[in-house]
Amino acid sequence: DGGITQSPKYLFRKEGQNVTLSCEQNLNHDAMYWYRQDPGQGLRLIYYSQIVNDFQKGDIAEGYSVSREKKESFPLTVTSAQKNPTAFDLCASNIDFNYGYTFGSGTRLTVV
Amino acid sequence: ILNVEQSPQSLHVQEGDSTNFTCSFPSSNFYALHWYRWETAKSPEALFVMTLNGDEKKKGRISATLNTKEGYSYLYIKGSQPEDSATYLCAFSGSRLTFGEGTQLTVNP
Repeated sequence: DGGITQSPKYLFRKEGQNVTLSCEQNLNHDAMYWYRQDPGQGLRLIYYSQIVNDFQKGDIAEGYSVSREKKESFPLTVTSAQKNPTAFDLCASNIDFNYGYTFGSGTRLTVV
Repeated sequence: ILNVEQSPQSLHVQEGDSTNFTCSFPSSNFYALHWYRWETAKSPEALFVMTLNGDEKKKGRISATLNTKEGYSYLYIKGSQPEDSATYLCAFSGSRLTFGEGTQLTVNP
């Protein structure tokens, strides 16, 4: 079955440490996205990529970096500059704006 | 940053009740309006993508309407069931998708 796989489901990060969240899709979608959910707020866009080897900052890109070397993969690196102690990060993909997004199951990231 | 507002923030209904929520969004530079259902411990699931003013879409007991000129969409659930309990998100598609905070629905048996 086609879908999006995110890993790990839970991740603990020490202060000053960089960590990378994996997002893989086998849907043949060109566009991929990373969103973060904070309590009391809607999903906010971190980064997005509409095509391989190209990506754009979203609304809350500070402290994050991404790469898009393959169509299937859009990993998110959380750097030490990201001060949020806890976050729930969701990866998504779609064909274009007229179609709904397919979401992964999310990664909960905690700073320890 | 675009403002997408959903109301109410949360809602408790009894099994069998019909209910509806509202999503308001900017009426300019409109491409599409998305509705998603997000159940606890699962991924958000797309319900509807609506693009035309006056559009009405239906999936089982759930339906949605769209008014792009005044910038609002309604989601209706007829005869709510406990399995309808979830957070319902709307998202406005301009140059990219912007989500509202969601309406958390609890259906009591």
